[in-house]
Amino acid sequence: NAGVTQTPKFQVLKTGQSMTLQCAQDMNHEYMSWYRQDPGMGLRLIHYSVGAGITDQGEVPNGYNVSRSTTEDFPLRLLSAAPSQTSVYFCASSYSWTGGYGYTFGSGTRLTVV
Amino acid sequence: AQTVTQSQPEMSVQEAETVTLSCTYDTSESDYYLFWYKQPPSRQMILVIRQEAYKQQNATENRFSVNFQKAAKSFSLKISDSQLGDAAMYFCAYRSDDRGSTLGRLYFGRGTQLTVWP
Repeated sequence: NAGVTQTPKFQVLKTGQSMTLQCAQDMNHEYMSWYRQDPGMGLRLIHYSVGAGITDQGEVPNGYNVSRSTTEDFPLRLLSAAPSQTSVYFCASSYSWTGGYGYTFGSGTRLTVV
Repeated sequence: AQTVTQSQPEMSVQEAETVTLSCTYDTSESDYYLFWYKQPPSRQMILVIRQEAYKQQNATENRFSVNFQKAAKSFSLKISDSQLGDAAMYFCAYRSDDRGSTLGRLYFGRGTQLTVWP
């Protein structure tokens, strides 16, 4: 089925470890983004991309890195995990960054940093 | 930056009854879009309904409808004939269409947890 595929669904890291959350979409969407969801905080934007080779920071970018070498893939890297990065992470894509298109979300990754 | 406010952290409704979830937003832009997303316990984010700011007519999707008041910057969601499967966290979201703005970012409210009683 077409959509946004996120892996892994669950992950436990030790403080200081690094890892990459994978995100892939097969809808030829121009726009991709990463959000984190924390209780009582809604969803906050980490990084986004308006096309291959173009990325920019969102609201809470510190401690995260992204790249967009292809239209399909938008991985999120945690450079040195901290307990404050314990959260649920969502990758989302949209046909375009303009025009009011809704987002298609991945199923999320629950990350725990101990 | 745009802000989206959901003033009701929790709401509850009896099955088959109607419930309205509130959302207000703050913006100086004229072209934008508003959304309601549903997040059931499965964690999946599901688009419920979408409203274009330039349209006066309120959007409707089956049992879900909105009351969009542009001047008041209000965007409430009405769920009619509530069902047990409607129980979820509901997020209101704003997206600009201003090309000089935040390039497609969705601004989310903090969510309203809806409980449906049988």
